[in-house]
Amino acid sequence: KAGVTQTPRYLIKTRGQQVTLSCSPISGHRSVSWYQQTPGQGLQFLFEYFSETQRNKGNFPGRFSGRQFSNSRSEMNVSTLELGDSALYLCASSLAEGGEAFFGQGTRLTVV
Amino acid sequence: SQQGEEDPQALSIQEGENATMNCSYKTSINNLQWYRQNSGRGLVHLILIRSNEREKHSGRLRVTLDTSKKSSSLLITASRAADTASYFCATDGRQGSARQLTFGSGTQLTVLP
Repeated sequence: KAGVTQTPRYLIKTRGQQVTLSCSPISGHRSVSWYQQTPGQGLQFLFEYFSETQRNKGNFPGRFSGRQFSNSRSEMNVSTLELGDSALYLCASSLAEGGEAFFGQGTRLTVV
Repeated sequence: SQQGEEDPQALSIQEGENATMNCSYKTSINNLQWYRQNSGRGLVHLILIRSNEREKHSGRLRVTLDTSKKSSSLLITASRAADTASYFCATDGRQGSARQLTFGSGTQLTVLP
């Protein structure tokens, strides 16, 4: 079956702009989590959605938001982009809480 | 903040040797998982060990878990050049009211041919 799909794979944005990233989980997976990966901070948890509800949120400013649709697809949005938002954004879906997470290839965001 | 801390940060070995990576964590967990990441790509799940298990094997991988010391180790036997990647431990535990998978800082493994 198809894996987790993230689009776009690469993105270049200017400071102050906003960006929306998309994630399609594995069919049947209702949990979708988002992570930010940078060389300095490593893998940081952003938020998790389950059945269209945000179930958990990491320590990120309100500029970072997300949502999940009825088909489990998820989007995350970052407004008023800063240079420090440059990172690899990873999405993961899982079948069960605390179970194996299946990751997408990530979206590489560069803010200039 | 990172729940798991791994050591070493980087490890370089010859093909055929064994590689051991360690992970320490701070709070109680439901399970601990190991993932692998090739440069700039998504993570791939390797193995999951539950809090009531002490050791688990999968092919050339052996994972141990010591909940009293809050630590885990990943052993890769007979390493190959293709094992070159970053390896992360991730703990499944509660952060506030919700369960969350929290990743360590990773070990960069280089296997020299």
